[in-house]
Amino acid sequence: DTAVSQTPKYLVTQMGNDKSIKCEQNLGHDTMYWYKQDSKKFLKIMFSYNNKELIINETVPNRFSPKSPDKAHLNLHINSLELGDSAVYFCASSQWGEEGYTFGSGTRLTVV
Amino acid sequence: GEDVEQSLFLSVREGDSSVINCTYTDSSSTYLYWYKQEPGAGLQLLTYIFSNMDMKQDQRLTVLLNKKDKHLSLRIADTQTGDSAIYFCAESILPGGYQKVTFGIGTKLQVIP
Repeated sequence: DTAVSQTPKYLVTQMGNDKSIKCEQNLGHDTMYWYKQDSKKFLKIMFSYNNKELIINETVPNRFSPKSPDKAHLNLHINSLELGDSAVYFCASSQWGEEGYTFGSGTRLTVV
Repeated sequence: GEDVEQSLFLSVREGDSSVINCTYTDSSSTYLYWYKQEPGAGLQLLTYIFSNMDMKQDQRLTVLLNKKDKHLSLRIADTQTGDSAIYFCAESILPGGYQKVTFGIGTKLQVIP
């Protein structure tokens, strides 16, 4: 199936741990994004990569580090997890000339 | 700065029309979007409108744009229980030719059978 897929779907971890979330798209899109959705459903962009190059880097703690090994993959590594990092993280992709994003189904991160 | 505002909640009866409203602040917005999020799922693009258009219709969906007032609305005709979801208004500023989309907080639509 053509899609944006994220793994894992659920992630429960303790404070202070380091974790990674992976995202892959097989749509041939050249731009990928990470968004954070908090408990009030507010969506905020974190990062965007275009053809492996970082193009959007919002005010996000240095503990968050994106990595794009190729244009089909965008991973998010989080160091020293804090309670406030609990949220749903969405990966999305888009293609210049085509409107809108295609979203993954989200990764629900719970830090305890 | 960019800001997109929506009311938080709307309740309608099945078969009625729903109108979800949105206001945005950035006059340089080029594209305006409506996304739908069902529980436990990602956002799904419903429709979009270019800033030089006033209206766009797509089956049961009608988007109206008042660029002067920076007001966008989504009308869903003959609302069904399957339309219950959170609806996000969004705008695209297109910095550097790439899409940076700013989302509103979402309007939760509840359809009463």
